[in-house]
Amino acid sequence: DTGVSQDPRHKITKRGQNVTFRCDPISEHNRLYWYRQTLGQGPEFLTYFQNEAQLEKSRLLSDRFSAERPKGSFSTLEIQRTEQGDSAMYLCASSAPGLATGNIQYFGAGTRLSVL
Amino acid sequence: GENVEQHPSTLSVQEGDSAVIKCTYSDSASNYFPWYKQELGKRPQLIIDIRSNVGEKKDQRIAVTLNKTAKHFSLHITETQPEDSAVYFCAASNTGNQFYFGTGTSLTVIP
Repeated sequence: DTGVSQDPRHKITKRGQNVTFRCDPISEHNRLYWYRQTLGQGPEFLTYFQNEAQLEKSRLLSDRFSAERPKGSFSTLEIQRTEQGDSAMYLCASSAPGLATGNIQYFGAGTRLSVL
Repeated sequence: GENVEQHPSTLSVQEGDSAVIKCTYSDSASNYFPWYKQELGKRPQLIIDIRSNVGEKKDQRIAVTLNKTAKHFSLHITETQPEDSAVYFCAASNTGNQFYFGTGTSLTVIP
């Protein structure tokens, strides 16, 4: 599978626990994005990376959220001290502005988080 | 920051009719406007996109128009088919940095 992959697909956790999600972008894509999507809404931008550098962070991203892309390949999104309001689908996307596909974003299937 | 508004939120059409979804954006620096289709429980998939140096783009039954002056862009689907039923999202971006999405349009094509 050469698409964007996310793991796990589903995560159920108790309030106050920490969770970590992983995203593996398309291999030649140097940009990687994280979004949050709640039911009936469009994806909300959280942050994005160019290679290993985190270039933008939304103000939606509180200090409980942290994202890394240590080697410019896969990325992790960690949520500490989860709250019920964190329940959502977390989507990852990648793009390659330097290639023919340009700004086209390819999305992963997402990680659905449920905080009990 | 950018603000993207999308209308209508729901749209029902008879099979074979056309469907039009409209979006407006606020940031004149936005120069890339993709449209995504998301079926229930699946990932968003790009169906068409347009850059700010182009006024219209067409791909078979799907077309997108862009009016930079008015800051709005529209998706047109002709000869709709039941498999076109899905949620459609517009988005705006400045050179592929942050992407701002609309709130989505749930399209139902009635056979």
